[in-house]
Amino acid sequence: QAVLTQPSSLSASPGASARLTCTLRSGINVATYRIYWFQQKPGSPPQYLLRYKSDSDKHQGSGVPSRFSGSKDASANAGILLVSGLQSEDEADYYCMIWHTSASAVFGGGTKLTVL
Amino acid sequence: QVQLQESGPGLVKPSETLSLTCTVSGGSISSYYWSWIRQPPGKGLEWIGYLYNSGSTNYNPSLNSRVTISVDTSKNQFSLKLSSVTAADTAVYYCARLPKGEDTVDYWGQGTLVTVSS
Repeated sequence: QAVLTQPSSLSASPGASARLTCTLRSGINVATYRIYWFQQKPGSPPQYLLRYKSDSDKHQGSGVPSRFSGSKDASANAGILLVSGLQSEDEADYYCMIWHTSASAVFGGGTKLTVL
Repeated sequence: QVQLQESGPGLVKPSETLSLTCTVSGGSISSYYWSWIRQPPGKGLEWIGYLYNSGSTNYNPSLNSRVTISVDTSKNQFSLKLSSVTAADTAVYYCARLPKGEDTVDYWGQGTLVTVSS
């Protein structure tokens, strides 16, 4: 079982909200980790959006609109990226990442967000 | 502004060693965590490993036996060597500084496609 699991795809309409999930493997407690989120558009490297551990430990990347926000669902052991007021330019692949206890970085498999 | 640029062969034969270099400009390589990340065509991101503080390294356990990351501080460069490559190692390879701890910025190279083929 992968350390981080993301749905492979998600579709939403312009102006709506998209909720992207990043589920941690059983036995890895989401409360312990800062969840990082990256956006990648075709032909470009990923770009850091934000990190979220708690409301008192969070960071928004430079220039990242407030439409992008992070949270957690403790009951699902998951990190959440919420994209509000969807725009066509938000269509991209989104990756979550953690720095695991072994000091290794681990990426989720990515979610392709389609805005239609 | 920090910029990263990958360089190296775009084609490597199976069983040989893949070698890439990342040149960092606009900032010193002597601090922070400098990573290599790869992305097979049409697939997701895989962290390969990092170099920290001009010498300490940490590697993805799944690649650990084949990976070496080293630094040349005089040139502000760090390098990746991946031995015994197969077609499964075909990917776009990125060098990057990932956000970690209180470091909240990221910098990425544009990536370089390395194809493993005879």
